[in-house]
This record gives sequence, C-alpha cells and structure tokens, in this order.
Amino acid sequence: AQRVTQPEKLLSVFKGAPVELKCNYSYSGSPELFWYVQYSRQRLQLLLRHISRESIKGFTADLNKGETSFHLKKPFAQEEDSAMYYCALSVGSGGSNYKLTFGKGTLLTVNP
Amino acid sequence: GAVVSQHPSWVICKSGTSVKIECRSLDFQATTMFWYRQFPKQSLMLMATSNEGSKATYEQGVEKDKFLINHASLTLSTLTVTSAHPEDSSFYICSAQQARNIQYFGAGTRLSVL
Repeated sequence: AQRVTQPEKLLSVFKGAPVELKCNYSYSGSPELFWYVQYSRQRLQLLLRHISRESIKGFTADLNKGETSFHLKKPFAQEEDSAMYYCALSVGSGGSNYKLTFGKGTLLTVNP
Repeated sequence: GAVVSQHPSWVICKSGTSVKIECRSLDFQATTMFWYRQFPKQSLMLMATSNEGSKATYEQGVEKDKFLINHASLTLSTLTVTSAHPEDSSFYICSAQQARNIQYFGAGTRLSVL
C-alpha cells in the first residue's frame, strides 16, 4: 500500500528565510505527487503537482524517485505562506478514478 | 477555478438521528467525487469514492451501511451518516474530480453528535 510521510508536524521560520517542507513516499509503481495547502479558515487547495513542473507562489517541488521524495521549497518565505501543507500521492483505482493518499501535514509558521 | 460547494458547514444532531451532507460541483461536471474524514489535528482519511450512476467504493474499515453515499447526478453527491453516534463526530470533506487527477475540495462539514 502507498504511504506518504511528512516528518515535521510544525515548521517555523522567519520572513525572508528559505523553507523546505519534507515529503517522502512509498509506492511500488509510478506515482503522481501533489502539494495541497490549507490557509487558516479556508478549504484545501492544490498548490502544485509534480508533472506540471511549475512554480506557484514561489514554491517548487522536484520528484526524486531515487530518494522517493517530493520536498517543497521556497527560497524566501513570506508571512502569507503560513498555512498547513499536505503532501499527497495519487494512485489510479480503476477507470478514470484516482485516489489521493495524504501525509499528516506540516504546519508552517512564518514569523515577521 | 473550479468550485465545490459543501452543505451544511456545521450540523449538530442528537444521537440516533441521520444527517445528510451535500457536495456540489458548481461549474463543472464530476463523474467522480470523494468523501474524506478528518479528525482534529490529523490528516484527511479517504472514506469512499463516489461515482455518478453507480455504487460507491468504500475504503477498508468504512461501514457502507453507516455512511450512505448517493451520486445521482454529475454535480451532486450526498453522504448520509445514519444513526449517528458521538464517535461519528468529525470533520467531513468532499472533493470533486475535474480533469484527470485534479480534485477540488469543499469547505467541509463539522458534525457534532450529542
């Protein structure tokens, strides 16, 4: 079975500092990895997905199959980045259905 | 972007009653919707996959008779918690699959069973 591990429950950085949220996964096939973000009192929303290879709000994430990791990085954190971040892995479950398995999340706090 | 509406946002009910939660995709059709449960300070746990016009697929350990799912149209899925008990109190979240592998989430429903 697939598993997503986010080793840090809490991460606190100062504004302007680099930030890296760690995500490791276990899955025997070819996974698709996502980062979702939940700002305070808001719904979960997609931040980025590995196949897009894009930067959203200054965040990037590279899939490293050798290390089975998909760490989320931003060179200069902003206060508005404070949120809960979830790493998720998608597995096809038949037909066009794709189930998401979520990590436990990392609460990022960016201090002024 | 795609919008998913979930209603109600908060419901309080007496033990033994049933509660229905609606999940609607407002500006797109979703043949597949998902229902999650989230305990305080924990991650989302997938409960079931809801497919329009067919029976839902439940995850291991989820009682299908307890959590009834109906996906009667391409924009609406409902989750009914039958004979609710205090241990069913939780945050329930739905999502709708738009394009391949993109899920958009509702704002969630907080269920409190007294």
